[in-house]
Amino acid sequence: GAVVSQHPSWVICKSGTSVKIECRSLDFQATTMFWYRQFPKQSLMLMATSNEGSKATYEQGVEKDKFLINHASLTLSTLTVTSAHPEDSSFYICSAGALSARSYNEQFFGPGTRLTVL
Amino acid sequence: QKEVEQNSGPLSVPEGAIASLNCTYSDRGSQSFFWYRQYSGKSPELIMFIYSNGDKEDGRFTAQLNKASQYVSLLIRDSQPSDSATYLCAVKGGQGAQKLVFGQGTRLTINP
Repeated sequence: GAVVSQHPSWVICKSGTSVKIECRSLDFQATTMFWYRQFPKQSLMLMATSNEGSKATYEQGVEKDKFLINHASLTLSTLTVTSAHPEDSSFYICSAGALSARSYNEQFFGPGTRLTVL
Repeated sequence: QKEVEQNSGPLSVPEGAIASLNCTYSDRGSQSFFWYRQYSGKSPELIMFIYSNGDKEDGRFTAQLNKASQYVSLLIRDSQPSDSATYLCAVKGGQGAQKLVFGQGTRLTINP
């Protein structure tokens, strides 16, 4: 149980285009989803926290108009990178919060999406 | 000062030995502490979490927490080459905090 999928797993796009990444909780409902970004040899940096049916809460320094997050249902959150540029190339990972079998509010991570902007 | 600090390594340990990974955190109100393993190109996977002072064991892994010293560690006994990965320490604050703050990770290599 507690499987999170992401689509696509990798994407290559031209500079200036927009890219949408989907994050789905497959076998549970997640009221909260998190979006992270990870540059090579660096740690995960939280970009935003997304609660179903409400606006996402962005971390300091993350442009909300560039990284659009939608969490329209309890099983789906999307991240759209608008007008992508080469510096946006990164590994984007989502996670979904749920009560685990260990009776703990745990974050379950998706497999990640590698974005390369040419 | 970073919120969660780890020695980036690389840490090299011979197969069969004990690998010791350390993490310090700055927020004294932090309540929960997590160790994740991340293989290259993959997303993190949870190894252990701990929220009480002392030791917590799960198979070959032992997490140790000392809230007074704001220090959490992970010991891996009988290290295997498959343990070679980057280990991320993550901390969750108190008062219903949802988000995890990650350290920069320690790259561990187990030498056969």
